[in-house]
Amino acid sequence: AQSVTQLDSQVPVFEEAPVELRCNYSSSVSVYLFWYVQYPNQGLQLLLKYLSGSTLVKGINGFEAEFNKSQTSFHLRKPSVHISDTAEYFCAVGRDKVIFGPGTSLSVIP
Amino acid sequence: NAGVTQTPKFQVLKTGQSMTLQCAQDMNHEYMSWYRQDPGMGLRLIHYSVGAGITDQGEVPNGYNVSRSTTEDFPLRLLSAAPSQTSVYFCATQRVGAYEQYFGPGTRLTVT
Repeated sequence: AQSVTQLDSQVPVFEEAPVELRCNYSSSVSVYLFWYVQYPNQGLQLLLKYLSGSTLVKGINGFEAEFNKSQTSFHLRKPSVHISDTAEYFCAVGRDKVIFGPGTSLSVIP
Repeated sequence: NAGVTQTPKFQVLKTGQSMTLQCAQDMNHEYMSWYRQDPGMGLRLIHYSVGAGITDQGEVPNGYNVSRSTTEDFPLRLLSAAPSQTSVYFCATQRVGAYEQYFGPGTRLTVT
């Protein structure tokens, strides 16, 4: 069975500060990992994905994530956030059956 | 291209009523999934399909039925609505080997 844990339900951060959103997973099969973003009243869109290869993955809008197999983690980072990054962020694991975490609400404070 | 469309956008049902949430895609994606989104619980997978004629259960399938007779459509049926099914429902599609899901705009369902 696959599962995803996002320990931080809410993360407030000042504009231009760095941010890390944490994600831990469990999977008994090959690991496919994703981060999705949901802006208010919209559907989800893909930020980045890890399928294989380099453990550091770069995505859209300046976000990146690092796959750590020994710690079963896939944390999302951005060195300097903007007001427009305020959104809900979801970590997910799976291939054809994709399981999502509970989400982290990122609030960027001016 | 319309992408992934969902109808209706909003729906209010009384307990015990049945209804079908529609999902259609014009991207010729093989995989389709239904999720429900509830506050603090993220998205939970209800049912998914890897192609026409093939469906399987997700994390929370009870109270919902699906079928996939064509590549384009993947309707979700609520057999007898309950207040616990009040939620926002998202349909998603995925092309085999692409590993990126495309989401519809969602259907907000309230069961009273």
